[in-house]
Amino acid sequence: DQQVKQNSPSLSVQEGRISILNCDYTNSMFDYFLWYKKYPAEGPTFLISISSIKDKNEDGRFTVFLNKSAKHLSLHIVPSQPGDSAVYFCAASVRAQKLVFGQGTRLTINP
Amino acid sequence: DGGITQSPKYLFRKEGQNVTLSCEQNLNHDAMYWYRQDPGQGLRLIYYSQIVNDFQKGDIAEGYSVSREKKESFPLTVTSAQKNPTAFYLCASNKNPGLDPDTQYFGPGTRLTVL
Repeated sequence: DQQVKQNSPSLSVQEGRISILNCDYTNSMFDYFLWYKKYPAEGPTFLISISSIKDKNEDGRFTVFLNKSAKHLSLHIVPSQPGDSAVYFCAASVRAQKLVFGQGTRLTINP
Repeated sequence: DGGITQSPKYLFRKEGQNVTLSCEQNLNHDAMYWYRQDPGQGLRLIYYSQIVNDFQKGDIAEGYSVSREKKESFPLTVTSAQKNPTAFYLCASNKNPGLDPDTQYFGPGTRLTVL
């Protein structure tokens, strides 16, 4: 039973445009959400997080939005740059316990 | 500088052999985790440890074993009982799980190939 789902395996965006990556979850107890970026053959690197008491968190070009009623979060990257090409994982936890990861979305930024 | 190290980067073993993957951190983090990643799948939790000398099974613990004798080290043994051991293995750590929202930081990973 997949508690965190990223339904788009891949996404292609033109350089300079906005990239929007989506994530849905089923467990209403999740109270902390994170996005990680991963290059091939490397460990994931932390990008941005959001607590369930917020609906938006921004860090430079990255913004995460949380819609608790829809059990949906999204990561916006604007403007998209070639170095953003990677696999992005969303993850969720209950009271900062073990993380549950989505399947990942491969983002490709085209020049 | 602080971080998480995993060695080796690539590991090859014959079927039926046990193999131990190393994970060391000098971040003074209390908790450590092992995940595996397979193509097209997310990270799945194998084992985790929130304190020295204690660890819990994750979602896919069968065929694996761990130890946590020191705060800095959390080695993972892939035993011959693991039916499909070829994968990319990732170690992670965080400081105070359960106290404040906390972020897990990952090592560079070990690619294990069983021939």
